Amino acid sequence: EDQVTQSPEALRLQEGESSSLNCSYTVSGLRGLFWYRQDPGKGPEFLFTLYSAGEEKEKERLKATLTKKESFLHITAPKPEDSATYLCAVPEGATSGTYKYIFGTGTRLKVLA
Amino acid sequence: GAGVSQSPSNKVTEKGKDVELRCDPISGHTALYWYRQSLGQGLEFLIYFQGNSAPDKSGLPSDRFSAERTGGSVSTLTIQRTQQEDSAVYLCASSLSVSPRGVNPSNTEAFFGQGTRLTVV
Repeated sequence: EDQVTQSPEALRLQEGESSSLNCSYTVSGLRGLFWYRQDPGKGPEFLFTLYSAGEEKEKERLKATLTKKESFLHITAPKPEDSATYLCAVPEGATSGTYKYIFGTGTRLKVLA
Repeated sequence: GAGVSQSPSNKVTEKGKDVELRCDPISGHTALYWYRQSLGQGLEFLIYFQGNSAPDKSGLPSDRFSAERTGGSVSTLTIQRTQQEDSAVYLCASSLSVSPRGVNPSNTEAFFGQGTRLTVV
Protein backbone atom coordinates (compact mmCIF):
# COMPACT_ATOMS: atom_id res chain seq x y z
CA GLU A 1 0.00 0.00 0.00
CA ASP A 2 1.31 3.44 -0.91
CA GLN A 3 2.18 5.39 2.21
CA VAL A 4 3.76 8.65 3.36
CA THR A 5 5.09 9.13 6.89
CA GLN A 6 6.44 12.37 8.28
CA SER A 7 8.56 12.94 11.35
CA PRO A 8 8.72 14.49 13.79
CA GLU A 9 5.08 15.40 14.34
CA ALA A 10 6.13 18.64 15.96
CA LEU A 11 9.39 20.54 16.24
CA ARG A 12 10.35 23.58 18.25
CA LEU A 13 13.50 25.44 17.27
CA GLN A 14 15.21 28.55 18.46
CA GLU A 15 15.72 31.19 15.82
CA GLY A 16 18.89 30.31 13.93
CA GLU A 17 18.87 26.65 15.02
CA SER A 18 19.04 24.55 11.85
CA SER A 19 17.25 21.21 11.59
CA SER A 20 15.68 18.73 9.18
CA LEU A 21 12.21 17.33 8.64
CA ASN A 22 11.77 13.82 7.30
CA CYS A 23 9.30 12.37 4.82
CA SER A 24 9.46 8.62 4.24
CA TYR A 25 7.47 7.14 1.40
CA THR A 26 6.47 3.78 0.04
CA VAL A 27 5.12 3.93 -3.48
CA SER A 28 5.53 1.77 -6.54
CA GLY A 29 6.93 3.97 -9.26
CA LEU A 30 7.60 7.40 -7.79
CA ARG A 31 6.22 10.17 -9.97
CA GLY A 32 7.40 13.05 -7.88
CA LEU A 33 7.53 14.08 -4.24
CA PHE A 34 5.98 17.40 -3.28
CA TRP A 35 6.58 19.64 -0.29
CA TYR A 36 4.00 22.14 0.91
CA ARG A 37 3.81 24.70 3.67
CA GLN A 38 0.50 25.28 5.44
CA ASP A 39 -0.22 28.23 7.69
CA PRO A 40 -3.17 28.10 10.11
CA GLY A 41 -6.47 28.74 8.38
CA LYS A 42 -4.97 28.60 4.91
CA GLY A 43 -4.56 26.08 2.15
CA PRO A 44 -1.23 24.36 1.53
CA GLU A 45 1.29 26.46 -0.37
CA PHE A 46 3.49 24.66 -2.88
CA LEU A 47 7.23 24.69 -2.14
CA PHE A 48 9.12 22.06 -4.14
CA THR A 49 8.82 19.10 -6.47
CA LEU A 50 11.53 16.43 -6.56
CA TYR A 51 11.42 13.74 -9.21
CA SER A 52 14.52 11.60 -8.86
CA ALA A 53 16.91 10.37 -6.19
CA GLY A 54 19.78 12.76 -5.67
CA GLU A 55 17.80 15.78 -6.71
CA GLU A 56 17.96 18.89 -4.52
CA LYS A 57 16.04 22.14 -4.60
CA GLU A 58 16.47 25.31 -2.56
CA LYS A 59 14.34 28.27 -1.68
CA GLU A 60 15.59 30.85 0.78
CA ARG A 61 16.33 28.97 4.02
CA LEU A 62 14.79 25.71 2.80
CA LYS A 63 16.46 22.89 0.91
CA ALA A 64 14.71 19.69 -0.10
CA THR A 65 16.56 16.50 -0.94
CA LEU A 66 15.37 13.11 -2.18
CA THR A 67 16.58 9.53 -1.88
CA LYS A 68 14.90 6.34 -3.01
CA LYS A 69 13.09 5.99 0.31
CA GLU A 70 12.78 9.43 1.84
CA SER A 71 13.00 13.16 1.46
CA PHE A 72 14.40 15.73 3.83
CA LEU A 73 13.46 19.34 4.20
CA HIS A 74 16.46 21.12 5.67
CA ILE A 75 15.85 24.44 7.35
CA THR A 76 18.94 26.58 7.78
CA ALA A 77 18.99 29.37 10.36
CA PRO A 78 15.19 29.47 10.63
CA LYS A 79 13.23 32.58 11.51
CA PRO A 80 9.91 32.86 13.36
CA GLU A 81 8.14 33.41 10.04
CA ASP A 82 9.13 29.88 9.02
CA SER A 83 6.71 28.57 11.65
CA ALA A 84 4.07 26.49 9.86
CA THR A 85 3.04 22.92 9.17
CA TYR A 86 5.12 21.31 6.46
CA LEU A 87 3.45 18.62 4.38
CA CYS A 88 4.84 16.18 1.89
CA ALA A 89 2.89 14.25 -0.70
CA VAL A 90 3.38 11.71 -3.46
CA PRO A 91 1.02 10.65 -6.24
CA GLU A 92 -0.27 7.09 -6.02
CA GLY A 93 1.93 4.53 -7.68
CA ALA A 94 2.36 4.71 -11.42
CA THR A 95 0.41 1.49 -12.05
CA SER A 96 -2.74 2.90 -10.43
CA GLY A 97 -3.74 4.84 -13.52
CA THR A 98 -4.68 7.82 -11.44
CA TYR A 99 -2.91 10.82 -10.02
CA LYS A 100 -4.35 11.40 -6.59
CA TYR A 101 -1.87 12.65 -4.05
CA ILE A 102 -1.19 10.88 -0.77
CA PHE A 103 -0.29 13.33 1.97
CA GLY A 104 1.64 12.81 5.16
CA THR A 105 0.18 14.19 8.38
CA GLY A 106 2.77 16.94 8.47
CA THR A 107 5.38 18.38 10.80
CA ARG A 108 4.29 21.37 12.88
CA LEU A 109 7.29 23.66 13.12
CA LYS A 110 7.52 26.43 15.68
CA VAL A 111 10.50 28.78 15.55
CA LEU A 112 11.00 30.85 18.67
CA ALA A 113 12.52 34.32 18.57
CA GLY B 1 -7.68 35.81 -10.17
CA ALA B 2 -4.36 34.06 -10.42
CA GLY B 3 -4.98 31.39 -7.81
CA VAL B 4 -7.55 28.74 -6.95
CA SER B 5 -10.67 30.38 -5.59
CA GLN B 6 -13.10 28.66 -3.22
CA SER B 7 -16.43 29.84 -1.92
CA PRO B 8 -17.80 30.28 0.59
CA SER B 9 -14.81 30.60 2.90
CA ASN B 10 -16.98 29.62 5.86
CA LYS B 11 -20.28 27.77 6.00
CA VAL B 12 -22.36 26.90 9.04
CA THR B 13 -25.28 24.61 8.36
CA GLU B 14 -27.80 22.64 10.32
CA LYS B 15 -27.60 18.87 10.45
CA GLY B 16 -29.63 17.35 7.65
CA LYS B 17 -29.32 20.28 5.26
CA ASP B 18 -27.58 20.11 1.88
CA VAL B 19 -24.54 22.26 1.11
CA GLU B 20 -22.69 23.19 -2.07
CA LEU B 21 -19.05 24.18 -2.09
CA ARG B 22 -17.55 25.85 -5.13
CA CYS B 23 -14.07 25.76 -6.60
CA ASP B 24 -12.75 27.92 -9.41
CA PRO B 25 -9.39 26.47 -10.54
CA ILE B 26 -6.46 28.25 -12.11
CA SER B 27 -7.24 28.99 -15.74
CA GLY B 28 -5.87 26.32 -18.06
CA HIS B 29 -5.39 23.70 -15.37
CA THR B 30 -6.78 20.39 -16.52
CA ALA B 31 -6.71 18.52 -13.23
CA LEU B 32 -8.85 19.39 -10.21
CA TYR B 33 -8.85 17.77 -6.78
CA TRP B 34 -11.01 17.92 -3.67
CA TYR B 35 -9.51 17.08 -0.29
CA ARG B 36 -10.89 17.22 3.23
CA GLN B 37 -8.89 18.21 6.29
CA SER B 38 -10.33 17.58 9.71
CA LEU B 39 -8.94 19.31 12.79
CA GLY B 40 -5.44 18.04 13.47
CA GLN B 41 -5.67 15.48 10.68
CA GLY B 42 -3.95 15.05 7.36
CA LEU B 43 -5.46 15.73 3.98
CA GLU B 44 -8.01 13.11 2.95
CA PHE B 45 -8.51 12.62 -0.78
CA LEU B 46 -12.11 12.90 -1.98
CA ILE B 47 -12.27 13.15 -5.76
CA TYR B 48 -10.11 13.96 -8.76
CA PHE B 49 -11.04 15.26 -12.23
CA GLN B 50 -8.67 15.07 -15.16
CA GLY B 51 -9.80 16.68 -18.41
CA ASN B 52 -12.68 14.80 -19.98
CA SER B 53 -11.86 11.50 -18.29
CA ALA B 54 -14.22 9.89 -15.80
CA PRO B 55 -13.47 11.31 -12.34
CA ASP B 56 -11.75 9.22 -9.68
CA LYS B 57 -14.40 9.16 -6.95
CA SER B 58 -12.72 6.55 -4.81
CA GLY B 59 -12.25 8.89 -1.85
CA LEU B 60 -15.85 10.01 -1.43
CA PRO B 61 -16.85 8.79 2.06
CA SER B 62 -20.51 8.10 1.33
CA ASP B 63 -23.19 8.49 -1.31
CA ARG B 64 -24.18 11.76 0.35
CA PHE B 65 -21.11 13.29 -1.30
CA SER B 66 -20.98 14.14 -4.98
CA ALA B 67 -19.03 16.48 -7.19
CA GLU B 68 -19.19 17.74 -10.72
CA ARG B 69 -17.00 19.81 -12.94
CA THR B 70 -18.73 21.82 -15.62
CA GLY B 71 -16.99 22.76 -18.85
CA GLY B 72 -13.68 21.52 -17.55
CA SER B 73 -13.44 24.47 -15.19
CA VAL B 74 -15.55 25.25 -12.12
CA SER B 75 -16.31 22.40 -9.75
CA THR B 76 -19.01 21.99 -7.15
CA LEU B 77 -18.85 19.58 -4.22
CA THR B 78 -22.28 18.77 -2.83
CA ILE B 79 -22.94 17.18 0.52
CA GLN B 80 -26.50 16.03 1.09
CA ARG B 81 -28.13 15.56 4.49
CA THR B 82 -25.07 16.87 6.30
CA GLN B 83 -23.91 15.19 9.48
CA GLN B 84 -21.76 16.58 12.27
CA GLU B 85 -18.86 14.37 11.20
CA ASP B 86 -18.82 16.23 7.89
CA SER B 87 -17.45 19.28 9.69
CA ALA B 88 -14.00 19.95 8.26
CA VAL B 89 -12.08 22.20 5.91
CA TYR B 90 -12.71 21.28 2.29
CA LEU B 91 -9.77 22.09 0.06
CA CYS B 92 -9.72 22.29 -3.70
CA ALA B 93 -6.56 22.16 -5.79
CA SER B 94 -5.72 22.27 -9.47
CA SER B 95 -2.69 21.36 -11.52
CA LEU B 96 -1.56 22.16 -15.04
CA SER B 97 -1.09 18.66 -16.34
CA VAL B 98 -0.80 15.15 -15.12
CA SER B 99 0.29 11.97 -16.77
CA PRO B 100 -1.18 8.92 -15.02
CA ARG B 101 1.47 6.64 -16.48
CA GLY B 102 3.90 9.27 -17.68
CA VAL B 103 7.57 8.48 -17.68
CA ASN B 104 8.72 12.07 -17.34
CA PRO B 105 6.07 13.98 -15.46
CA SER B 106 6.30 17.71 -15.23
CA ASN B 107 4.07 20.59 -14.20
CA THR B 108 2.22 18.22 -11.91
CA GLU B 109 2.34 20.26 -8.74
CA ALA B 110 -1.08 21.05 -7.32
CA PHE B 111 -2.03 24.53 -6.17
CA PHE B 112 -4.56 24.81 -3.39
CA GLY B 113 -7.30 27.26 -2.59
CA GLN B 114 -7.87 28.68 0.87
CA GLY B 115 -10.52 26.12 1.64
CA THR B 116 -14.11 26.19 2.86
CA ARG B 117 -14.55 25.64 6.57
CA LEU B 118 -17.77 23.69 7.00
CA THR B 119 -19.40 23.48 10.40
CA VAL B 120 -22.47 21.29 10.87
CA VAL B 121 -24.45 22.11 14.00
